[in-house]
Amino acid sequence: EPEVTQTPSHQVTQMGQEVILRCVPISNHLYFYWYRQILGQKVEFLVSFYNNEISEKSEIFDDQFSVERPDGSNFTLKIRSTKLEDSAMYFCASSEFTPVHEQFFGPGTRLTVL
Amino acid sequence: AQSVTQLDSHVSVSEGTPVLLRCNYSSSYSPSLFWYVQHPNKGLQLLLKYTSAATLVKGINGFEAEFKKSETSFHLTKPSAHMSDAAEYFCVVSGGGGSYIPTFGRGTSLIVHP
Repeated sequence: EPEVTQTPSHQVTQMGQEVILRCVPISNHLYFYWYRQILGQKVEFLVSFYNNEISEKSEIFDDQFSVERPDGSNFTLKIRSTKLEDSAMYFCASSEFTPVHEQFFGPGTRLTVL
Repeated sequence: AQSVTQLDSHVSVSEGTPVLLRCNYSSSYSPSLFWYVQHPNKGLQLLLKYTSAATLVKGINGFEAEFKKSETSFHLTKPSAHMSDAAEYFCVVSGGGGSYIPTFGRGTSLIVHP
């Protein structure tokens, strides 16, 4: 069964460093998403991506964040200068159609900023 | 605008007894509603969804939920809990604020005792 994969499973970085979180969505899906979940808090939407551009983004997704689909399979989230408060679990998801349809989630990357 | 409230942070049941996880929502438009389950160290998996068809929705693993517009509720039930049901459950609303961006509830941790 096709699934969304994410690498690495755990990333530790120093404050101020850049990190890139990687995701491989399901191959025939058209919409891609990033979410984050700070420990003990809700899952929060960050950004959706369709047709090689951002379709929607939340207030959290500021200039420190960027997304890219560098090739036909990967979907990345870059945080330019990490802060302590960026420590969270980051989930990638994809859907075949619009966001109102089922989104398939990856297992997540746990980002720890020291 | 849209929001979702999961009324219980933890629910504890004995194996073989019924499960009830409560979810209330608010929305300005007709929403789509979802329940996702998250097992430890796993991504979120869709249990079931309501998208304006039948109000009683059947999902995987014996779960079902009923959309009640008058009560703005979408409670998740299962007649008989199994040990493998122990996980975090998220109620999600989408499309209720004029946007497809999903809003997650805080989650309910289901504990199943032998």
